[in-house]
Amino acid sequence: EVQLVESGGDLVQRGGSLRLSCAASGFTFSSYEMNWVRQAPGKGLEWISYISVSGSTKHYADSVKGRFTISRDNAKNSLYLQMNSLRADDTAIYYCALGSWDYWGQGTLVTVSS
Amino acid sequence: EIVLTQSPATLSLSPGERATLSCRASQSVGSSLAWYQQKPGQAPRLLIYDASSRATGIPARFSGSGSGTDFTLTISSLEPEDFAVYYCQQRNNWPLTFGGGTKVEIK
Repeated sequence: EVQLVESGGDLVQRGGSLRLSCAASGFTFSSYEMNWVRQAPGKGLEWISYISVSGSTKHYADSVKGRFTISRDNAKNSLYLQMNSLRADDTAIYYCALGSWDYWGQGTLVTVSS
Repeated sequence: EIVLTQSPATLSLSPGERATLSCRASQSVGSSLAWYQQKPGQAPRLLIYDASSRATGIPARFSGSGSGTDFTLTISSLEPEDFAVYYCQQRNNWPLTFGGGTKVEIK
């Protein structure tokens, strides 16, 4: 069974940093592209980052470019999102999703206090 | 950035009725459009990809159509479990973008 489990969400002060993790199981993680998507409270979905199978290609939404870094460790079946210079509008549930988009994690909540 | 505009924002219908949801792109996305369903407290669920292909396990009452800039998600006969928020997503250009969503509520 495919499982994606996010962790690392927390309450953090404005300007702070946080690292999210997404643990994958039930499939060959090293064969799949991955994405991060977030959803602010009561709002819609926002794609924020993509990483290729090897990790050599990455894309970011303008809203996070230069502040967030996506990475992966295929040996550990894990996806990461390093978030720096956090702002109040980064407050959201953060989901990891397979590149095929048919599997998503349950999300982890990041709250940035001002 | 490609902007996706979904309409209507809210659709009030009764079980058994037909639902027609629209997604319009600010420029052509070819057939690289997907539809998702999201219920409160849950992650989104992929319904349709490549504009008209149903994802695994999705009931036949869900269908997608369109290409270029105009797309439609149709639910032929609403079941109680179909009342939710629906999002479209384009995968043709970076950055990937989602529409603002259509809420299908019980009338």
